[in-house]
Amino acid sequence: SAVISQKPSRDICQRGTSLTIQCQVDSQVTMMFWYRQQPGQSLTLIATANQGSEATYESGFVIDKFPISRPNLTFSTLTVSNMSPEDSSIYLCSGRYTGELFFGEGSRLTVL
Amino acid sequence: SQQGEEDPQALSIQEGENATMNCSYKTSINNLQWYRQNSGRGLVHLILIRSNEREKHSGRLRVTLDTSKKSSSLLITASRAADTASYFCAPFSQGGSEKLVFGKGTKLTVNP
Repeated sequence: SAVISQKPSRDICQRGTSLTIQCQVDSQVTMMFWYRQQPGQSLTLIATANQGSEATYESGFVIDKFPISRPNLTFSTLTVSNMSPEDSSIYLCSGRYTGELFFGEGSRLTVL
Repeated sequence: SQQGEEDPQALSIQEGENATMNCSYKTSINNLQWYRQNSGRGLVHLILIRSNEREKHSGRLRVTLDTSKKSSSLLITASRAADTASYFCAPFSQGGSEKLVFGKGTKLTVNP
């Protein structure tokens, strides 16, 4: 299995600011993904983090709002830019390893 | 990628009883994965069943797959209060995107 660590685990942010979430995997994974889970909802895929190239975003998500980096096979970051209260969610990083998808514990963001 | 649809959306049982939740999907798959999410936490990978398998066991978990009906079920036997969580299925088809898309899940409550 793969162990995925995310930080911060939680944060309270002010409207208009940006926050970067880091995701570290203990194994080299082929694919990495970022999900958002709004309160009481299921997971929504934000984007696929591609190593060495621009992320692939799902409909409704754009690079200016959610810039993503993936410099190598074990690390990725997601930035939530110019935050508003609607961005209050849990953000989850995941990685595909030996065919299975593993998740981090999530980063719970509250935007005031 | 395709989204699985879990049923029921909510299930409440007494400790010691069995819990069964179902998943339906639309197009052919290579495998189907089940996940558990405790409140506000990351997803935990429970079990993966391949398209050529009909049944798989892991501890108190039993998963079945009927590819002719495009459905799967997850049975938790002798449930415990600690099994209280949301459960998600994720059908996976190779050849396209590697991403997994999640439905609303089944929220299981096990009462002590």
